[in-house]
Amino acid sequence: EAGVVQSPRYKIIEKKQPVAFWCNPISGHNTLYWYLQNLGQGPELLIRYENEEAVDDSQLPKDRFSAERLKGVDSTLKIQPAELGDSAVYLCASSATSGANVLTFGAGSRLTVL
Amino acid sequence: TQLLEQSPQFLSIQEGENLTVYCNSSSVFSSLQWYRQEPGEGPVLLVTVVTGGEVKKLKRLTFQFGDARKDSSLHITAAQPGDTGLYLCAGVLARLTFGEGTQLTVNP
Repeated sequence: EAGVVQSPRYKIIEKKQPVAFWCNPISGHNTLYWYLQNLGQGPELLIRYENEEAVDDSQLPKDRFSAERLKGVDSTLKIQPAELGDSAVYLCASSATSGANVLTFGAGSRLTVL
Repeated sequence: TQLLEQSPQFLSIQEGENLTVYCNSSSVFSSLQWYRQEPGEGPVLLVTVVTGGEVKKLKRLTFQFGDARKDSSLHITAAQPGDTGLYLCAGVLARLTFGEGTQLTVNP
């Protein structure tokens, strides 16, 4: 069974440029999460989806970050415009249901903003 | 202020030694999880503890949930180089909240 797939694995951009990350969760997993992880720190939740609905986006900086999960499967996280402080690893995770809290993470997308 | 405090932040030991990592909070959690993350990969769930005082064993790893469900510990016996990684605890409240992690290096 394929795990959570993320792309790109690495992205280097200049500040003020846009960037997008894509996530394909485990088949059948209704809940999808986007986390931000700074170097040497634990992941921080950005947004959680139940199917196509964003049910927890209180931690998402909505002035520059946006996300969507069309059709309740794949998801895209966008940053526009990127700032130097956005350099981090963006992790996607999925679970069968949010109540179970059994998350499977992807390998992450490492963003470097110059 | 971090909801979950992990200690130590960094730990470097020799193969064969024992170690304990701590995860503390002032909050009561419905459950607590431990993950291990290797470089370039996402965290992988090791265990979930639910009941206060619960002890779970996974080969050489022993996990304990505090009686008051505010803290937890991870003990590794006879550490091996393959145990090297970032160990993260995560508590379940309204959402899953991670600690800052303990970076463990086991030298051969």
